[in-house]
Amino acid sequence: DGGITQSPKYLFRKEGQNVTLSCEQNLNHDAMYWYRQDPGQGLRLIYYSQIVNDFQKGDIAEGYSVSREKKESFPLTVTSAQKNPTAFYLCASTMTVNTEAFFGQGTRLTVV
Amino acid sequence: AQKVTQAQTEISVVEKEDVTLDCVYETRDTTYYLFWYKQPPSGELVFLIRRNSFDEQNEISGRYSWNFQKSTSSFNFTITASQVVDSAVYFCALSEAEGGSWGKFQFGAGTQVVVTP
Repeated sequence: DGGITQSPKYLFRKEGQNVTLSCEQNLNHDAMYWYRQDPGQGLRLIYYSQIVNDFQKGDIAEGYSVSREKKESFPLTVTSAQKNPTAFYLCASTMTVNTEAFFGQGTRLTVV
Repeated sequence: AQKVTQAQTEISVVEKEDVTLDCVYETRDTTYYLFWYKQPPSGELVFLIRRNSFDEQNEISGRYSWNFQKSTSSFNFTITASQVVDSAVYFCALSEAEGGSWGKFQFGAGTQVVVTP
């Protein structure tokens, strides 16, 4: 089945550590996105990539980094510079720009 | 600035009642796209509908219907004869096709729908 796979589903991080969230898609989509969702709030865009080897900052990129070395993969690293990383992270992809997005099941990150 | 406003934080209804979710957007682009997504408790967002700015025809899909009015910058969503399985958070989103926001989805804050038996 085609889709987007995020792993892990739950992630615990100690303060000061970097962690990487995985996002893989087998939909052959060009564009990929990372969103952050806080309780009771909408989705805020962290980074997005419209093509391999290129990515753009979203609205809340500080403390995060990404790479897009392969079309299928768009990992997100939450660095120690992110002061409040506890949140639900969603990865999405679109065939091209402005088409509907398909989402993964999310990763819930908790700082302990 | 908030480009997509969903003023209703939570709506509670009894099964079989109709429920309408409001969405107001803001854009200067002439070409843009509007979306609705459903987020059940599992967390994954499920795509419901995509509408471009040149197509104001209302759409019905089963118990779901959408009313797009450019004159009021609104794209409202109605669930007819609600069911318990409709309980979820619903998001409205805007994607602009011009300018600096090209390719970026702007989501509203979401509306929690609670349907009780």
